[in-house]
Amino acid sequence: GNSVTQMEGPVTLSEEAFLTINCTYTATGYPSLFWYVQYPGEGLQLLLKATKADDKGSNKGFEATYRKETTSFHLEKGSVQVSDSAVYFCALTSNTGNQFYFGTGTSLTVIP
Amino acid sequence: GAVVSQHPSWVICKSGTSVKIECRSLDFQATTMFWYRQFPKQSLMLMATSNEGSKATYEQGVEKDKFLINHASLTLSTLTVTSAHPEDSSFYICSARIHGASSSYEQYFGPGTRLTVT
Repeated sequence: GNSVTQMEGPVTLSEEAFLTINCTYTATGYPSLFWYVQYPGEGLQLLLKATKADDKGSNKGFEATYRKETTSFHLEKGSVQVSDSAVYFCALTSNTGNQFYFGTGTSLTVIP
Repeated sequence: GAVVSQHPSWVICKSGTSVKIECRSLDFQATTMFWYRQFPKQSLMLMATSNEGSKATYEQGVEKDKFLINHASLTLSTLTVTSAHPEDSSFYICSARIHGASSSYEQYFGPGTRLTVT
């Protein structure tokens, strides 16, 4: 079956620190992988995506590379800002269906 | 870009009453819309898939008589929580898939509706 496992939080970092949020997946077929961000009181926003192996998704300084050999899609950012404080969800969709499978989310707090 | 709205953004209702939540695709047509539920500090759980003009498909464990879904047009789907109880309090999020999209990932999420049942 399909599932996503991401590192548990909460994660607290100082401003300008390096961020890594781990995400691994189990899927049948060839999934597309996503990172969504949810700011307090808001819905999900697509942060970045990758649709095939070795693709790198990037947006707003965040990056994630689709690693088929390790079934991973870790989120990274070189220098976080206070405004990056949010909950980050790793997700996948399989190539056979419409459904998104989400991880449990990782809460990030960046302190000045 | 593709925008999905939800109304209301938050609602408080008394136990035993029904609440309707609307999900609209504002600048595109959506053949399929999805309804999710999010508990505090947990991930989104798919409740049902709604296809325009046909009955919704519910996930296992979701009561179809309690969570009524109607997808009457290509831009509107509604979720009605009937006879709401405090345990129905949650954050409900919809997403919409662009009509004719060949890829399942062309879905856009609404901002969510927070339901509190007292």
